[in-house]
Amino acid sequence: GAGVSQSPRYKVAKRGQDVALRCDPISGHVSLFWYQQALGQGPEFLTYFQNEAQLDKSGLPSDRFFAERPEGSVSTLKIQRTQQEDSAVYLCASSLAGLSTDTQYFGPGTRLTVL
Amino acid sequence: AQSVSQHNHHVILSEAASLELGCNYSYGGTVNLFWYVQYPGQHLQLLLKYFSGDPLVKGIKGFEAEFIKSKFSFNLRKPSVQWSDTAEYFCAVNGGGGSYIPTFGRGTSLIVHP
Repeated sequence: GAGVSQSPRYKVAKRGQDVALRCDPISGHVSLFWYQQALGQGPEFLTYFQNEAQLDKSGLPSDRFFAERPEGSVSTLKIQRTQQEDSAVYLCASSLAGLSTDTQYFGPGTRLTVL
Repeated sequence: AQSVSQHNHHVILSEAASLELGCNYSYGGTVNLFWYVQYPGQHLQLLLKYFSGDPLVKGIKGFEAEFIKSKFSFNLRKPSVQWSDTAEYFCAVNGGGGSYIPTFGRGTSLIVHP
């Protein structure tokens, strides 16, 4: 079956530009996570949805970052007024239920470069 | 806040060598533990996980990990590596119960020479 997909795979933005990153989770998966992965580091949690409800956004680094999942499936991570420090790979993951023991299924990521 | 340490950032082995990658976490409560792997050009995928029961967990491709609660460790092992095991390996921990947010280690890059 189809896995988690993300688009675009690569995005180059000029500093100050707004960007939108899309995640299509596995169909039927309740939970959706966004992570930021800097070069040479592990994924760092940004935000978590259970269906359309954003249950945790404690990892969002600033109010320039905003995420939504309006219909409980596709999610969009928006970054306003991008800065150079936003350059990273943004990973999306989904899991079947809302359990802490669930396996997360990751997408390929979007590599964002801010010039 | 919980943290996860992977002490070996880069490991280079020859085929058939044994592998052990360290993972230590700082969290005193109930934990769920995961090892994820990212093969070159592929997505992160689950290798194995532990949440209860036998502390020795077996995963895909001959990997296993042992949860030692007293040492706050969850080391990954494989008795004989193959060239195809070349990948990035990430340990992740979340607090059990309702705490579903995992903390990842920074990863270990494994290169296996044929």
